[in-house]
Amino acid sequence: GQNIDQPTEMTATEGAIVQINCTYQTSGFNGLFWYQQHAGEAPTFLSYNVLDGLEEKGRFSSFLSRSKGYSYLLLKELQMKDSASYLCAGTDSNYQLIWGAGTKLIIKP
Amino acid sequence: IAGITQAPTSQILAAGRRMTLRCTQDMRHNAMYWYRQDLGLGLRLIHYSNTAGTTGKGEVPDGYSVSRANTDDFPLTLASAVPSQTSVYFCASSESGLNTGELFFGEGSRLTVL
Repeated sequence: GQNIDQPTEMTATEGAIVQINCTYQTSGFNGLFWYQQHAGEAPTFLSYNVLDGLEEKGRFSSFLSRSKGYSYLLLKELQMKDSASYLCAGTDSNYQLIWGAGTKLIIKP
Repeated sequence: IAGITQAPTSQILAAGRRMTLRCTQDMRHNAMYWYRQDLGLGLRLIHYSNTAGTTGKGEVPDGYSVSRANTDDFPLTLASAVPSQTSVYFCASSESGLNTGELFFGEGSRLTVL
């Protein structure tokens, strides 16, 4: 079967670091995306990983391990505006996206 | 501003009525998609189109139809709405149907079927 798993909710403190994990099982795999979605808004693109390793983009970094079917999104120097849902999505052998249910990140002062 | 426009933003609809959600993009993207988003579930693909003139079924196509007469427009039609189609609907586009690049989303259409 095809499945994307990520925690439902996480809480972190402003200024801290948080890691959001995602595990995937897809029939064929071509890459993994992370999107950010603020409440009541559309998802917006954060990152796309195809190869193993860490990709850094400002305060946000994304990691992929293809052999372990595992990815994480790392957010540093958390700001209140980072309160949002973070969606993990993997591509299957037909290049269609399989989405996780999203991780709601709550930032506390 | 370039992007994707969806209409209506929200709608309350009686069961059994026909409804078309409109989606237009001005980025000349080849691929377009319709997703529904329900609480506790991931985005689920309803229908997609990899290029003008072609469409395909996604994960949850039943009760929905689409057309792609040109590059810019990708309307979604509910022929006879049912309460289980109450959801937030997102239209999206990408340069190609290979999903190797960013998806651009519209602002969503919140549909309530009573």
